[in-house]
Amino acid sequence: DAGITQSPRYKITETGRQVTLMCHQTWSHSYMFWYRQDLGHGLRLIYYSAAADITDKGEVPDGYVVSRSKTENFPLTLESATRSQTSVYFCASSEFQGMNSPLHFGNGTRLTVT
Amino acid sequence: AQKVTQAQTEISVVEKEDVTLDCVYETRDTTYYLFWYKQPPSGELVFLIRRNSFDEQNEISGRYSWNFQKSTSSFNFTITASQVVDSAVYFCALKPPAGANNLFFGTGTRLTVIP
Repeated sequence: DAGITQSPRYKITETGRQVTLMCHQTWSHSYMFWYRQDLGHGLRLIYYSAAADITDKGEVPDGYVVSRSKTENFPLTLESATRSQTSVYFCASSEFQGMNSPLHFGNGTRLTVT
Repeated sequence: AQKVTQAQTEISVVEKEDVTLDCVYETRDTTYYLFWYKQPPSGELVFLIRRNSFDEQNEISGRYSWNFQKSTSSFNFTITASQVVDSAVYFCALKPPAGANNLFFGTGTRLTVIP
């Protein structure tokens, strides 16, 4: 089925380890986003990408790295995981740039850093 | 700066009651879009509606209705005759005309419908 898929769905890692969250979309949407969801904060933008090989920081980028070598993939890497990065991570895509273009979200990855 | 406030952290209603979820936003832009998303217990985020800042007409979709009032910077969401399946976290969000093409979210309102 077409859509946006995230993997893994759940991940437990230790402090200091590197971990990569995967995001794949089949719509060929130009824009892709990574958000984190935390109680009391709603969803906050970590990084976004306007097209392949174009990425930029969002509101809370520290400790994260992204890449977008192909339009359909937008992995998020935590270089050295910290407990404060325990969160639910959502990947999203948007077909075009425009105020009326909604974001379509994946099912999320629940990450726990011990 | 963009800001969305959902002051109601949690709401509980008995099935078949009507409920209104409040959303207040701040922006200096004259054009923007407002959105509502639903996050059911399964965790995914489901797009419900978008509204142009120039269109203040209320919108109704089945049991759902939205009241947009630019004068008070509010975009409230009403569920009529609530059902257990409406239990979810609801997010209001703002999309400005410039920037990252992303959404600015409120902190969400958790709605529990009691059978």
